[in-house]
Amino acid sequence: DTEVTQTPKHLVMGMTNKKSLKCEQHMGHRAMYWYKQKAKKPPELMFVYSYEKLSINESVPSRFSPECPNSSLLNLHLHALQPEDSALYLCASSGTGGLRTDTQYFGPGTRLTVL
Amino acid sequence: SQQGEEDPQALSIQEGENATMNCSYKTSINNLQWYRQNSGRGLVHLILIRSNEREKHSGRLRVTLDTSKKSSSLLITASRAADTASYFCATGQGAQKLVFGQGTRLTINP
Repeated sequence: DTEVTQTPKHLVMGMTNKKSLKCEQHMGHRAMYWYKQKAKKPPELMFVYSYEKLSINESVPSRFSPECPNSSLLNLHLHALQPEDSALYLCASSGTGGLRTDTQYFGPGTRLTVL
Repeated sequence: SQQGEEDPQALSIQEGENATMNCSYKTSINNLQWYRQNSGRGLVHLILIRSNEREKHSGRLRVTLDTSKKSSSLLITASRAADTASYFCATGQGAQKLVFGQGTRLTINP
């Protein structure tokens, strides 16, 4: 199974709502990632988990809170978002690759709209 | 910014022609990867070239890497309508950190 799944596919939320994005992989990968992608722009790294521990936080605002409950699951908790946070949120997974950057496998993304 | 540059930003060609996209980057890398993204969807890995490699082939794809010039190119031969997508180069900068270029939007006209 080389698939990364993400739910929901679409999410519309108000600025006072709390919601969560979910990501799952069953490839035995020990690194998982969250990216944010605005229209016609490249993906921008937000967080990296390695062996279920947060290893990279790219200075993301605290209204985004990641969680890695186990090696197959990755969540992104959202609270008090702003309209400019509207974007495609992509999850990815990879092997840990030692010092080298492994191939990453991406999910289809969650299209988030903040009203 | 650590992000690389890609050119052209957009490319439109006829089916059957070859498409070439270029990528430049600024920092030292351990590898360079190319990904494809169909409109509004997830990215699909195409090919990885290590920093000590100069050229790599996979099916209709040919990638070159020149670390002295900090540049790479992706050639797609005999293009098909299904190749229409955005193509991103991504540089491996340390363990687990990929930095994506701005991307090239490729349109294949039937």
